[in-house]
Amino acid sequence: QVQLVESGGGAVQPGRSLRLSCAASGLTFSNYGMHWVRQVSGKGLEWLAVIWSDGSGIYYVDSVRGRFTISRDNSKNMLYLQMNSLRAEDTAVYYCSTERVGAGYAFDMWGQGTMVTVSS
Amino acid sequence: QAGLTQPPSVSMGLRQTATLTCTGNINNVGNKGATWLQQYQGHPPKLLSYRDNNRPSGISERFSASRSGNTASLTISELQPEDEADYYCSAWDSSLSAWVFGGGTKLTVL
Repeated sequence: QVQLVESGGGAVQPGRSLRLSCAASGLTFSNYGMHWVRQVSGKGLEWLAVIWSDGSGIYYVDSVRGRFTISRDNSKNMLYLQMNSLRAEDTAVYYCSTERVGAGYAFDMWGQGTMVTVSS
Repeated sequence: QAGLTQPPSVSMGLRQTATLTCTGNINNVGNKGATWLQQYQGHPPKLLSYRDNNRPSGISERFSASRSGNTASLTISELQPEDEADYYCSAWDSSLSAWVFGGGTKLTVL
C-alpha cells in the first residue's frame, strides 16, 4: 500500500537549518505533485509549498518563501524540504501530502508527520 | 496570506445533520471549489471531498459537499460519534498562486 514517511525533524536553535525528507512507496512517485503542510500543536493546517510531479513548478506560502526550499528526487522517490533561518514560529508537525497529476484534487494521501522544534 | 473562513466549532446531536461552512473569495473557493479534510487529534488529515462534491473511494455517502458562490459547505448526515473531529477546507488561490486553508471547525456530536 501507499506509504509516505517523513523524517529529519528534531530540535534546533533559532537561525539554524534543517532538512526534512519524505520517502514515498507503493505509488508511481513521478505521477504525483507533492506538498508540505505543517500544523502547530493545537492549531490549524498551514500549507507551505508544492512541487509539480516533474519539478517544473514550485510554489510557496509567503511566510516561508526565501527561507524554505522544496525539492524532489524522482529516481529515489524522495521529497525534501530544506528549512533555513528557522524561527520559533516554525515549530510544528510537518506533513508531506500528494496530488495526483490530472486527478483534479490534492491532499489525497498523507504521511504521519515529523516534529520540528525551534528553541534556544 | 488570507485564508478561508470556517466557524471554530459546531455541535449537533447524534443522528442529526451538521453543515459546516467555508467562505473564501472568487479567486479560491469561488473558482475551483473546495477540498474538505477530516482530522482526528494526533493523526494526519484525511481527504473527504474535492472540487465541490467528489468523494474519494471509501468515503461514506453521509459526507456531501456543495458550493454556492464563494462559500463551500460540508454536510454530514446521520451524525455518528466517530464523526467528532476537526474539519478543514482548502482551495487553490489563483491570485496568490498558493493553497489556502480554513482555520478548521471542531465538530462535537452530542
